Amino acid sequence: KQEVTQIPAALSVPEGENLVLNCSFTDSAIYNLQWFRQDPGKGLTSLLLIQSSQREQTSGRLNASLDKSSGRSTLYIAASQPGDSATYLCAVVIQGAQKLVFGQGTRLTINP
Amino acid sequence: GAVVSQHPSRVICKSGTSVKIECRSLDFQATTMFWYRQFPKQSLMLMATSNEGSKATYEQGVEKDKFLINHASLTLSTLTVTSAHPEDSSFYICSAQMVDRGMIFGQGTRLTVV
Repeated sequence: KQEVTQIPAALSVPEGENLVLNCSFTDSAIYNLQWFRQDPGKGLTSLLLIQSSQREQTSGRLNASLDKSSGRSTLYIAASQPGDSATYLCAVVIQGAQKLVFGQGTRLTINP
Repeated sequence: GAVVSQHPSRVICKSGTSVKIECRSLDFQATTMFWYRQFPKQSLMLMATSNEGSKATYEQGVEKDKFLINHASLTLSTLTVTSAHPEDSSFYICSAQMVDRGMIFGQGTRLTVV
């Protein structure tokens, strides 16, 4: 059974810092991995999608890496801003299935 | 761009009544959609997979007679919470998958049963 773990559960840093969020999964047979952001009371916004054949994806100040063999992904946020405050969720799609398996999320607070 | 639209965003209903939530894929067809439930400060829990033209597949522990799913077209799936009770109060979210964009989520529906 695929399990996804995110560390840390919560993180609070001052504005301007670079930070890394971690995601690990137990079964390396994944189709893809996706990072989402969720604001309180809202749905999920997709940040980055990494296919199983890819090693990383970048969008603006965000960079996500994928190491399938070790079952790890990281989300790097550069020059953090208060608007980055949200819960960040990592999820994988298992090969042969369509559904996502989510981590518990990292609640990020960027202090002005 | 491709969007998944969910309606309503917020609903309050009386105990014992039924509530329908709609999930539409805009600008793309979705033969499969997914319904999740989210409790406060917790991650998403997959309830069921909605398949266009066929029966939904429910996750273990989810009552299919309580949570009726209909996927009558390639762009619309509905979730009906039947005979709702206060314990059904939650945040419900739908999603659909695009091959090159991954999973796209709706805005979510906050259901409160009083």
